[in-house]
Amino acid sequence: DIQMTQSPSSLSASVGDTVTITCRASQAINDNLAWLQQKPGKAPRSLISAASKLQSGVTSRFSGSGSGTDFTLTISSLQPEDFATYYCQHYNRYPITFGQGTRLEIK
Amino acid sequence: QVQLVESGGGVVQPGRSLRLSCAASGFSFSGYAMQWVRQAPGKGLEWVAHIAYDGTNKYYADSVKGRFSISRDNSKNTLYLQMDSLRAEDTAVYYCARDFYGEWHWGQGTLVTVSS
Repeated sequence: DIQMTQSPSSLSASVGDTVTITCRASQAINDNLAWLQQKPGKAPRSLISAASKLQSGVTSRFSGSGSGTDFTLTISSLQPEDFATYYCQHYNRYPITFGQGTRLEIK
Repeated sequence: QVQLVESGGGVVQPGRSLRLSCAASGFSFSGYAMQWVRQAPGKGLEWVAHIAYDGTNKYYADSVKGRFSISRDNSKNTLYLQMDSLRAEDTAVYYCARDFYGEWHWGQGTLVTVSS
């Protein structure tokens, strides 16, 4: 199985900051990488697919990059509604696996 | 708009069965692959099962293989997850998701609690 490792596990930032979350795959997955956002008690919401393609309705403050094994999610000009847990997910082949999550908290 | 509504969750004893449903609306259900993903309390996301748009291909996580079965009825716009021989470690919120080449749209989830 492909293992997805996110860093950091948690992150504190202020409104207006720019933050970056990284995700590393244990083997190459081309650009078959998605980023998800989850708020407490809510279902996940997919933000980005194909490593950098923003899903419909997602603000352009979110951006993704990378290919192969190393990927990043950048959130610019943090807003209060951005404080949540973020997961990366590969879909290169089955089984699909997720990173362990990065909790983004308000400083 | 796209809507996925899971149902069928509840409290069940170990070793018993439960069937989850996911009712789809707002899109052409028969044209999309579908997934089940679960999240144990306070834990991360775990992929459970996949079914192709026409039901021909199915994949399962090793943790549920041989116990869970994914199916769909395109005439009813509904996805199912039959869960047999349930264990305590199957306790989780179960989400269905529409999959379009990695673009996923998620339902709100249904809680399954396996406990005696």
